[in-house]
Amino acid sequence: DQQVKQNSPSLSVQEGRISILNCDYTNSMFDYFLWYKKYPAEGPTFLISISSIKDKNEDGRFTVFLNKSAKHLSLHIVPSQPGDSAVYFCAASASGRNTPLVFGKGTRLSVIA
Amino acid sequence: KAGVTQTPRYLIKTRGQQVTLSCSPISGHRSVSWYQQTPGQGLQFLFEYFSETQRNKGNFPGRFSGRQFSNSRSEMNVSTLELGDSALYLCASSGIRQGRFQFFGPGTRLTVL
Repeated sequence: DQQVKQNSPSLSVQEGRISILNCDYTNSMFDYFLWYKKYPAEGPTFLISISSIKDKNEDGRFTVFLNKSAKHLSLHIVPSQPGDSAVYFCAASASGRNTPLVFGKGTRLSVIA
Repeated sequence: KAGVTQTPRYLIKTRGQQVTLSCSPISGHRSVSWYQQTPGQGLQFLFEYFSETQRNKGNFPGRFSGRQFSNSRSEMNVSTLELGDSALYLCASSGIRQGRFQFFGPGTRLTVL
């Protein structure tokens, strides 16, 4: 049973427009969420996170929104740039610092110039 | 600080062989986690070590094992390799100050023929 789902395997967006990547989760114990970006032949790099006590967190061009009642979060990238083309993974963690991160399958974002 | 390093970066083995992968965490980080990434499956959690003890374990067969040394370096071993073990194996480390946030290494690409 997949606890973290990224239902869109791929997404194409024009440069300068908004990219919206979605993530759904099923475990109500998850209270901390992260987005990682991964380029080919590199390990994932941390992008942005959000705690369940918030519904929005912003860092430059990246904003993550959390809807706890819908068990849904989204990553907005505005404006999208060609260098944002990568695979984006959503991850979630349950209460307690010793629980492992649970990752989604990823969404490949292509930003077209 | 140097990042997470993994060796080797690429490895080719044949079915039935065994393999050992190595991971050196960021200096001062005591938690090391291992993940398997296959096409379309995202990052699947293998196990986590903290202070030389396995703290969490994912849903993988016993052919997958690991250990951590006193200097926090970690190794994972896969015995009796199968074709389906071909994947990118990622190591991630975290420290007390990072909480549930993890830093990833570049990964080891294992190909089983």
